[in-house]
Order: sequence, then structure tokens, then C-alpha cells
Amino acid sequence: DAGVIQSPRHEVTEMGQEVTLRCKPISGHDYLFWYRQTMMRGLELLIYFNNNVPIDDSGMPEDRFSAKMPNASFSTLKIQPSEPRDSAVYFCASSLRGVYGDGYTFGSGTRLTVV
Amino acid sequence: AQSVTQPDIHITVSEGASLELRCNYSYGATPYLFWYVQSPGQGLQLLLKYFSGDTLVQGIKGFEAEFKRSQSSFNLRKPSVHWSDAAEYFCAAFTGRGSTLGRLYFGRGTQLTVWP
Repeated sequence: DAGVIQSPRHEVTEMGQEVTLRCKPISGHDYLFWYRQTMMRGLELLIYFNNNVPIDDSGMPEDRFSAKMPNASFSTLKIQPSEPRDSAVYFCASSLRGVYGDGYTFGSGTRLTVV
Repeated sequence: AQSVTQPDIHITVSEGASLELRCNYSYGATPYLFWYVQSPGQGLQLLLKYFSGDTLVQGIKGFEAEFKRSQSSFNLRKPSVHWSDAAEYFCAAFTGRGSTLGRLYFGRGTQLTVWP
């Protein structure tokens, strides 16, 4: 398996633009997580899905952020409009049976810079 | 509030020396506990986990961790560090209750530097 695949690896955009981050989880995994990592706040869970259904989005910072999982093999995290404070590394992770399985498998992340 | 604390932001050790990275948690019940490692530009990789049973758990890359309930700790150890172990290490905990099912809480991480 190729692991969790995220695209793009790097994204530089101007403030106010829409940004879409993409994630392909490991085939067969039933949980998908979106995390954000910054120096100031560390790793923050933004949202997670179970069987494509959003379970907990309490970590989504504000209405500018939205996430979808239209099928078991694809998820997106969208920021509209983007702001400089959204600059961070965004990780997608997937797992089988949540934490009760072998843990989370993380993608390599998308480094977002908003200028 | 549930939290995971890694007291050491940065640790430097010489290659071949032993290593211990500290992790403390604050939960009412014993959580499930994890250690992850993150190399530069990479995602997090699971090193080991503790659910129950033997309090000393073995992981990949020669790492082990010991769960101590009395100290609410889950410290990571390695007898002899290699230069390739230089990375950031994250402790994480999960209590799996109610609406937080599936949520892992991460510590702020400890950056490990290895001197040759």
C-alpha cells in the first residue's frame, strides 16, 4: 500500500483565495482525520470521519474551514477565504478501527503558506 | 481537562548514549497511550502503544516505554541512540469516551538532537 497520500505537498496562496487540500486514505481504513500543526499550537485535530461520516468537527477553527469525504478513498479540506494565520502543515491520517487498531497512519502533510 | 504533557521541548544526547523522553497525562482513568516519531518533512510514525497488560512495551527501532500509573507517566527509552534517531517525538493519549471516541490528544513534542 502506498500509505496515506496528500496533495499538494506545498501550497502558497494569497490571502482571500480558496485553498483545497486533498487526502487519499489507506484502502480499507474506516477512520480519517485532519490535523493541523503549528509551532504555537502543536498538533490540533480539526475533524474526523468514520465510514465517510463526519463525527467530530469541534476542532474546525471557524466557518472558513470545511471538510468533506464523498467516498471511502477521498477527502478534502477547504479553506475559503484563506488568511495568513492559516499557514501551517496540514496532516491527514487514517486508521482501521480508530485508535483500537494499529494506530493512525499519517500522510506526509501539506505545507500551506498564505501571504 | 484532558491533557498530555511533554516537559522537555528539546533534548540533546551523544550517539551511543541512553535516552529517556518524558510524558505525563492527566485523565481520570488509564488512557491508551502512544509514542509517535516525526522526521523532518514527514508525517508521524507510530513507535509503540500501550492499551493494557504488561507495563513495559516494546516498539520499533529499538524503543521501549514504561507505563507507571502512580506517576501518570509513559516515558520513552532507548539504551543506545543512533544519529538517525534525531527527530521530533510525540506522546499521545486516548480515553475513548462518548463523543470523543476516536480522538487522540497529542503532547507538544520533544525535539531530539543527536551529537556524533
